Amino acid sequence: EDKVVQSPLSLVVHEGDTVTLNCSYEVTNFRSLLWYKQEKKAPTFLFMLTSSGIEKKSGRLSSILDKKELFSILNITATQTGDSAVYLCAVPPWIQGAQKLVFGQGTRLTINP
Amino acid sequence: NAGVTQTPKFQVLKTGQSMTLQCAQDMNHEYMSWYRQDPGMGLRLIHYSVGAGITDQGEVPNGYNVSRSTTEDFPLRLLSAAPSQTSVYFCASRETGINQPQHFGDGTRLSIL
Repeated sequence: EDKVVQSPLSLVVHEGDTVTLNCSYEVTNFRSLLWYKQEKKAPTFLFMLTSSGIEKKSGRLSSILDKKELFSILNITATQTGDSAVYLCAVPPWIQGAQKLVFGQGTRLTINP
Repeated sequence: NAGVTQTPKFQVLKTGQSMTLQCAQDMNHEYMSWYRQDPGMGLRLIHYSVGAGITDQGEVPNGYNVSRSTTEDFPLRLLSAAPSQTSVYFCASRETGINQPQHFGDGTRLSIL
């Protein structure tokens, strides 16, 4: 059974701290891993990772994939209150030409001023 | 370009009632899917479609029907609402291709009394 597990489930830090969110997976025919940020409404796309060891970066956010150990991390440096959100990790197993996203439970990140 | 549009945003139903959640996208995406999001469980796939006239079941399809008569629209029908279907429902679409991220609508918050 395809499975994505995120940790921690909840994290509270102070503004300016650096955080690391974890995502491990076991899926059929792995092709990519995606990170989303969800505030009040729709999940918004952050990164797609397909290759091991290549860091993707966007401002203070970065992410890397380890296909041997089957996990990814999402780092946020110099956190701001606007980073408070649920961060979702998802993997689309490639089955019969179709991709179906399998999501982890999410990490709820709270940044206190 | 509105992206993925879901209606209604909120709905309260009584047990046994039926209703249709609407989803439309204007990006000419072939792939569309419906997820439900419950606390502590991430997003779970209900049904998906790889193109007009083609639908398939996801992880939690029971109690829901879908159809895809056009590329743009992918309605989700609750046949006989049950309290266990109280959830937030998200519709998503993506371009054809192996590594394309899904784009989500803003969600429909549904309560079944």
